[in-house]
Amino acid sequence: GENVEQHPSTLSVQEGDSAVIKCTYSDSASNYFPWYKQELGKRPQLIIDIRSNVGEKKDQRIAVTLNKTAKHFSLHITETQPEDSAVYFCAATGYSSASKIIFGSGTRLSIRP
Amino acid sequence: NAGVTQTPKFRILKIGQSMTLQCAQDMNHNYMYWYRQDPGMGLKLIYYSVGAGITDKGEVPNGYNVSRSTTEDFPLRLELAAPSQTSVYFCASSYPPPGLAGGGNEQFFGPGTRLTVL
Repeated sequence: GENVEQHPSTLSVQEGDSAVIKCTYSDSASNYFPWYKQELGKRPQLIIDIRSNVGEKKDQRIAVTLNKTAKHFSLHITETQPEDSAVYFCAATGYSSASKIIFGSGTRLSIRP
Repeated sequence: NAGVTQTPKFRILKIGQSMTLQCAQDMNHNYMYWYRQDPGMGLKLIYYSVGAGITDKGEVPNGYNVSRSTTEDFPLRLELAAPSQTSVYFCASSYPPPGLAGGGNEQFFGPGTRLTVL
């Protein structure tokens, strides 16, 4: 079945530095790749997404890149701030399995002051 | 709009007890989902529904049942609670994906139900 692998599982960066989280997916039919942020004790919330007809998307300090040939996509956070500390989940879905999204296992990001 | 609501927020069950986790959404979404999230882990899909009267199994359906009699409500039933079902349960909803060219359907999550089985 479809699988999404996410790395690293934990990441600690100095405030102001950049953070990168990477995901790979197995289903070549996948065409939608969202990223969710989950703060401690809260629900996951969408922070950015990208569709397969786009290679990169940016929203202020966060950006996502997609390499369809290699079947991997990445989340980039620049100028990290304490409020960026959270667990981040990547996910993938495709038209063939459009009714459900497969989530990665999550990355716990900690921002050191 | 209230979005996706879940009740109860917390519950402690004894082994063998039954309960229903309630989920409702007021966004007229066709698609609804139930996930469980074990401590420090990711989201695992239990069941999902693409519309009233239609449900299907996800990755971890054993020990659970669902029904979808209306667009708004998607309750999750635990028949014989076991310690392995101790988890946080999230309900989510979304519109159907726009299609092959567009792809994608943002999921909106409820606040979660923290269930402990002792």
